[in-house]
Amino acid sequence: DAKTTQPNSMESNEEEPVHLPCNHSTISGTDYIHWYRQLPSQGPEYVIHGLTSNVNNRMASLAIAEDRKSSTLILHRATLRDAAVYYCILTTSGTYKYIFGTGTRLKVLA
Amino acid sequence: GAVVSQHPSWVICKSGTSVKIECRSLDFQATTMFWYRQFPKQSLMLMATSNEGSKATYEQGVEKDKFLINHASLTLSTLTVTSAHPEDSSFYICSARDLRDRDTEAFFGQGTRLTVV
Repeated sequence: DAKTTQPNSMESNEEEPVHLPCNHSTISGTDYIHWYRQLPSQGPEYVIHGLTSNVNNRMASLAIAEDRKSSTLILHRATLRDAAVYYCILTTSGTYKYIFGTGTRLKVLA
Repeated sequence: GAVVSQHPSWVICKSGTSVKIECRSLDFQATTMFWYRQFPKQSLMLMATSNEGSKATYEQGVEKDKFLINHASLTLSTLTVTSAHPEDSSFYICSARDLRDRDTEAFFGQGTRLTVV
């Protein structure tokens, strides 16, 4: 299964942009890149996903490197409600299951 | 986004008893459901994958006779923890996908907190 590597934790000031990196050097050509976030005692919440091109939605933007070996989740203006653990996940081709790594704990400072 | 509902949200049971957790996709058909377990301050660990109408596929190290999974319809999967022991206490989370379209995301339930006493 292709693995992802993320920093354990990051901090951001409220209303500033946040760039959360993810390395996935063993990604295969058909693997999608998904981002989820999880608040304490809740199930993960979908944020965004992409394959090759950069993606935007109301929550965030996803920037995918040209060689697809890394990606960056961009929160344009962090709020206190964005404090969570963010997981970068590759869907494994064939079974499409999600394998979670350790994620990045984002702390947002008021 | 689509809604996945888990029931119950929390349960306390006595050691040696069995507990059933339900996972329902409320507004889409889930061809595939996944069950995870999460211990405090750790990440989610995939336990098994189930496809509607088929036997579940368990991850290495997960006892299939202890964690019984049924996925009888496109909207319901159940996880039964049999002969529960205190070490089975954990946060159990299901997710559901419609894999007829591969460019879709999985939706997660809110989780079930199981405490075995």
